[in-house]
Amino acid sequence: IQLTQSPSSLSASVGDRVTITCRASQGISSDLVWYQKKSGKAPNLLIYAASTLQSGVPSRFSGSGSGTDFTLTISSLQPEDFATYYCQQLNSFPLIFGGGTKVEIK
Amino acid sequence: EVQLLESGGGLVQPGESLRLSCTAPRFTLSNYAVSWVRQAPGKGLEWVSTLGTWSDDQHYADSVKGRFTISRDKSKNTVYLQMNGLRVEDTAVFYCAKGRGPNYPESRTFDSWGQGTLVTVSS
Repeated sequence: IQLTQSPSSLSASVGDRVTITCRASQGISSDLVWYQKKSGKAPNLLIYAASTLQSGVPSRFSGSGSGTDFTLTISSLQPEDFATYYCQQLNSFPLIFGGGTKVEIK
Repeated sequence: EVQLLESGGGLVQPGESLRLSCTAPRFTLSNYAVSWVRQAPGKGLEWVSTLGTWSDDQHYADSVKGRFTISRDKSKNTVYLQMNGLRVEDTAVFYCAKGRGPNYPESRTFDSWGQGTLVTVSS
């Protein structure tokens, strides 16, 4: 199973709505999670089971999709959200991460 | 909040070995699946290996199969990654990560991570 994330990078302003997509090469049901990764820090789980918000994660983050097409949305970008975001499929081994989407300040 | 602690990284020459350790001060690791994930310089995240709650439940990326071995010592509450035959392309920060639960799909969703340990393979 391959995961294709897009875009690979984007520039946005505080308050913008941001959407990142992740496409699987074959159907993976809802076996997809999203992580946020900041430089020099460990990844942080945001969304699991495609659309369930991890405890403690702000509600401006949301996930949707099933099968092959998934989306991570940040409803109103905050300064602390500038980071790289990764999707990961867990339907079967090998576990695969998407290539990442770097969200930068416009 | 970092809940896992890795150690054992360092600088080695190609062909040499290293053993990484992952421990959890606040919970019992043997109750969860534990995985290793790495990030090479300037690259994305790459899954390396997963150890389920049963010792024979091991999975490896093709890039490390036959060279790396994951194991656990319950008495020490520690998971290890034995890395043999290291290559330049293994240079990365290695993270250990805990599954949300013991079984699929929770075992493959990583809700706690260590701070990472750097492995550099260079002649």
